[in-house]
Amino acid sequence: GIQVEQSPPDLILQEGANSTLRCNFSDSVNNLQWFHQNPWGQLINLFYIPSGTKQNGRLSATTVATERYSLLYISSSQTTDSGVYFCAVESTGTASKLTFGTGTRLQVTL
Amino acid sequence: KAGVTQTPRYLIKTRGQQVTLSCSPISGHRSVSWYQQTPGQGLQFLFEYFSETQRNKGNFPGRFSGRQFSNSRSEMNVSTLELGDSALYLCASSVSLGTDTQYFGPGTRLTVL
Repeated sequence: GIQVEQSPPDLILQEGANSTLRCNFSDSVNNLQWFHQNPWGQLINLFYIPSGTKQNGRLSATTVATERYSLLYISSSQTTDSGVYFCAVESTGTASKLTFGTGTRLQVTL
Repeated sequence: KAGVTQTPRYLIKTRGQQVTLSCSPISGHRSVSWYQQTPGQGLQFLFEYFSETQRNKGNFPGRFSGRQFSNSRSEMNVSTLELGDSALYLCASSVSLGTDTQYFGPGTRLTVL
């Protein structure tokens, strides 16, 4: 099946810093989503982005489907950004089955 | 519009028992998927239902089963619980099958003693 790798696995930032999280996938995809998992376990949708670039406030994402990677940018980080960020993909022919990466654990300190 | 709801939020069971978890999708969503999250294996797909039919199944033993009702609500059942079934079980809903944003519920945290 499709492989999804995320880097870095852990990231510690000071408040106000910027960061880039990367997601590489091994096959073509119909769907790519970025999620933030809060300390209580809730997965919160950040972006649905199988290709192209999107922005939402301090967050933006870019997926280059032909090169099989996606990037999540966090600017001016805040302590509330702490948590685990997951990339999940749906490969062609596996309708709605998301394959998750292992996540990037982000800690934003004061 | 209300989000995906899951009940119960927490469960403690003993080995050998069975458990049923419930998921109510967002109104208008007809596809429901289930995922298991453990520290060792991460997030893994269990199964997906659409129009009361299982459309896709992950690599889990037959002890894990599910169903979907005509109102799109879904239940999953785990029989003969094992210690390794302790996990966060997450339900996701989407409008339809494939190529669609999936929205997750808060999860049910199952502990097997």
